[in-house]
Amino acid sequence: DADVTQTPRNRITKTGKRIMLECSQTKGHDRMYWYRQDPGLGLRLIYYSFDVKDINKGEISDGYSVSRQAQAKFSLSLESAIPNQTALYFCATGSQETQYFGPGTRLLVL
Amino acid sequence: RKEVEQDPGPFNVPEGATVAFNCTYSNSASQSFFWYRQDCRKEPKLLMSVYSSGNEDGRFTAQLNRASQYISLLIRDSKLSDSATYLCVVNQGGKLIFGQGTELSVKP
Repeated sequence: DADVTQTPRNRITKTGKRIMLECSQTKGHDRMYWYRQDPGLGLRLIYYSFDVKDINKGEISDGYSVSRQAQAKFSLSLESAIPNQTALYFCATGSQETQYFGPGTRLLVL
Repeated sequence: RKEVEQDPGPFNVPEGATVAFNCTYSNSASQSFFWYRQDCRKEPKLLMSVYSSGNEDGRFTAQLNRASQYISLLIRDSKLSDSATYLCVVNQGGKLIFGQGTELSVKP
């Protein structure tokens, strides 16, 4: 079984819809992260959490929110999706030194 | 200026070639450094950490120059399976900052 899982793997939605991307990890790490990847821009940090009671904004948090439901679960929400949120989204967990990524969610906002 | 900048690529090389990737970072307080590998739109995976003394893992050699804020990755005897995007990554306060990646294509 994968250490970091993401659901859904692919999602098509319409402008204005609310959607949630979910992430679970079995590695037992306290730290979890959400990134988005766009061609030519690399991975950019959206939100991160160092433990269950800790939530921090990353580089590009506008338009997103997160919830850390448990040590193993960290979900990302788009309250009102817009087309420029079309991207590949990765969840990750890890120590300060190494991060392990989920397989990614491809999101298309029409 | 981006916090982590890499050679734009793509690099197209024949099998057996030696190829070098360069990376610079802007924050001198950066604590640790890595190279990640990402296969076509899959998740990034840690390739190796980078130490000031330089470190080697088989055909891969990584170097760090803190004074110049420069990181490098050398791949010797390239294999077809080395084709991927290589991401230069810097740790700042527990957050990883990624370069945009350099694409490598190894041809027969």
